[in-house]
Amino acid sequence: DIQMTQSPSTLSASVGDRVTITCRASQSISSWLAWHQQKPGEAPKLLIYKASSLESGVPSRFSGSGSGTEFTLTISSLRPDDFATYFCQQYNDYPLTFGGGTKVEIK
Amino acid sequence: EVQLVESGGGLVQPGGSLRLSCAASGFTFSDHYMDWVRQAPGKGLEWVGRNRNKANSYTTEYVASVKGRFTISRDDSQNSVYLQMNSLKAEDTAVYYCTRSDSSGFLYYWGQGTLVTVSS
Repeated sequence: DIQMTQSPSTLSASVGDRVTITCRASQSISSWLAWHQQKPGEAPKLLIYKASSLESGVPSRFSGSGSGTEFTLTISSLRPDDFATYFCQQYNDYPLTFGGGTKVEIK
Repeated sequence: EVQLVESGGGLVQPGGSLRLSCAASGFTFSDHYMDWVRQAPGKGLEWVGRNRNKANSYTTEYVASVKGRFTISRDDSQNSVYLQMNSLKAEDTAVYYCTRSDSSGFLYYWGQGTLVTVSS
């Protein structure tokens, strides 16, 4: 199975900060990576697919980059609505696997 | 608007069975792969399995931990996908999400989830 490792597991930041979350795959997954956002008590929501393609309706302050084994999700200027947990997910091979999540907290 | 509504969760004893349903609307259900993902309380996400569309012969994939115990099926006439769970264990306790997948494989839309608790 492809292991997905996210860092950090928790991130404390302020509104307006630039935030970067890293996701590493245990083997190359090309660009077959998605990022999902989950708020407490809610279902996850797709933000980015194919490593860098922004899902329709997602604010442009979110961006994704990377290929192969190393990927990043960047929020250019953190907004109050962005405090949530973020998961990366590979879909290069079965079983589909997720990173452990990064909780973005208010500093 | 895409909607996925899960039902069928509840409390079940270890070794028991449960069938979850997911009613879909807002898209052409028969065209799409459908997946189940679960999240144990306070934990991360675990993909459970996939049911491909008719064009791909409704074939399925499962994570190793549920293979042989769980079965994903669908009824395109009812716009529904199902998760039959047998021989349930305490570690199957989780919120189970129904998702619609993109043809390339990523999880596109998520339902709100249904809680399954396996306990005596």
